Amino acid sequence: GQNIDQPTEMTATEGAIVQINCTYQTSGFNGLFWYQQHAGEAPTFLSYNVLDGLEEKGRFSSFLSRSKGYSYLLLKELQMKDSASYLCAVRDFYAGNNRKLIWGLGTSLAVNP
Amino acid sequence: NAGVTQTPKFRVLKTGQSMTLLCAQDMNHEYMYWYRQDPGMGLRLIHYSVGEGTTAKGEVPDGYNVSRLKKQNFLLGLESAAPSQTSVYFCASSYLHHNSNQPQHFGDGTRLSIL
Repeated sequence: GQNIDQPTEMTATEGAIVQINCTYQTSGFNGLFWYQQHAGEAPTFLSYNVLDGLEEKGRFSSFLSRSKGYSYLLLKELQMKDSASYLCAVRDFYAGNNRKLIWGLGTSLAVNP
Repeated sequence: NAGVTQTPKFRVLKTGQSMTLLCAQDMNHEYMYWYRQDPGMGLRLIHYSVGEGTTAKGEVPDGYNVSRLKKQNFLLGLESAAPSQTSVYFCASSYLHHNSNQPQHFGDGTRLSIL
């Protein structure tokens, strides 16, 4: 089957570092996306991984291990505005599914002062 | 560039009424998608389109119909609204290339309540 698991909620302190994990089980794999979604707003794209390793974009980094079916999003120097839901999505390359993403339920991150 | 534009932003319907949600994108994307998002359920794909004149069912298509008569527009119809269709609806679009790192771009959503 196809499944993506993320923690439901996390809390962290302003200025700290937080790691949001995502594990996936899919028939095939052709890329993993991280999105940020503030309450009442649309999801916005943060990062993309298709090869193993770390992709860094400013305060945000994303890591992928295809053999383990595992990714994480690392947020450094947390700011209050980082309080949002973080969605992990996998592009499944199998029998036409390559056109669609499989979405996790999201991790709600609360950043406290 | 407006990106992905959804209309209306809010709507309240009575059970049994019909309506059409409009989605327009100005990025020349081939793929377009309709999702619904409910608390605890995440984003669920209703229907999608891989090009003008083509549509396909997602994971929760029942009670909805779609049309893609023009490349830039993707319409979602509710023929007879039910309270279970109360949700936030998002339209998204993306480029064609399967191996691309190009993400899906989302509209601001339509908040629909069925009484």
